[in-house]
Amino acid sequence: QVQLQQSGPGVVKPSQTLSLTCAISGDSVSSNIAAWYWIRQSPSRGLEWLGRTYYRSKWYYDYAVSVKSRISINPDTSKNQFSLQLNSVTPEDTAVYYCAQDKTGAFDIWGQGTMVTVSS
Amino acid sequence: QSVLTQPPSASGTPGQRVTTSCSGSSSNIGSNTVNWYQQLPGTAPKLLIYSNNQRPSGVPDRFSGSKSGTSASLAISGLQSEDEADYYCAAWDDSLNGVVFGGGTKLTVL
Repeated sequence: QVQLQQSGPGVVKPSQTLSLTCAISGDSVSSNIAAWYWIRQSPSRGLEWLGRTYYRSKWYYDYAVSVKSRISINPDTSKNQFSLQLNSVTPEDTAVYYCAQDKTGAFDIWGQGTMVTVSS
Repeated sequence: QSVLTQPPSASGTPGQRVTTSCSGSSSNIGSNTVNWYQQLPGTAPKLLIYSNNQRPSGVPDRFSGSKSGTSASLAISGLQSEDEADYYCAAWDDSLNGVVFGGGTKLTVL
């Protein structure tokens, strides 16, 4: 059974970088049939897809237009995990951040969520 | 403002059948499959329906989904108190090249 365990700080200062990690158990980040996502949720923006990475003989990355200039999602095959980095954060980036797996064309498995507050 | 449009609220009594809708456009629902998620208070969303009408293992057959044109619907029959939650629809959007969500429907079991 696949499980996703998120880790990372709950508070980030404005203009700094938000970094979160999603550790995978029960599957491989290099799976040829899965994709790995970051999604966030806030009262003002609702659920918002941020981006994904997946492996199909090589690594692919897709990012939401709203964050494309500031985001990076990176797989770490040695630790079987993937990470989110969001640069130059503002209070608008305050949200609950989720990682998720897609094997059916939907978000089948979700991480537990991490509340991240952008505040000095 | 969410790309997919859902009514903000719905309600029903135990045992009743309730439906909620999700409206989109040709670039999302009109050309891709729809997924539905259930979010209980304080928890992560959970996949309820995928590919318009498929239930993951463990999801009761009281939950069903359908799609027609640029709209989709989620139906819950035999409503139970534990169904009280927020329900979100989602689909891939070819124009935005990403997943779009509805704003969610809060279901109250009276």
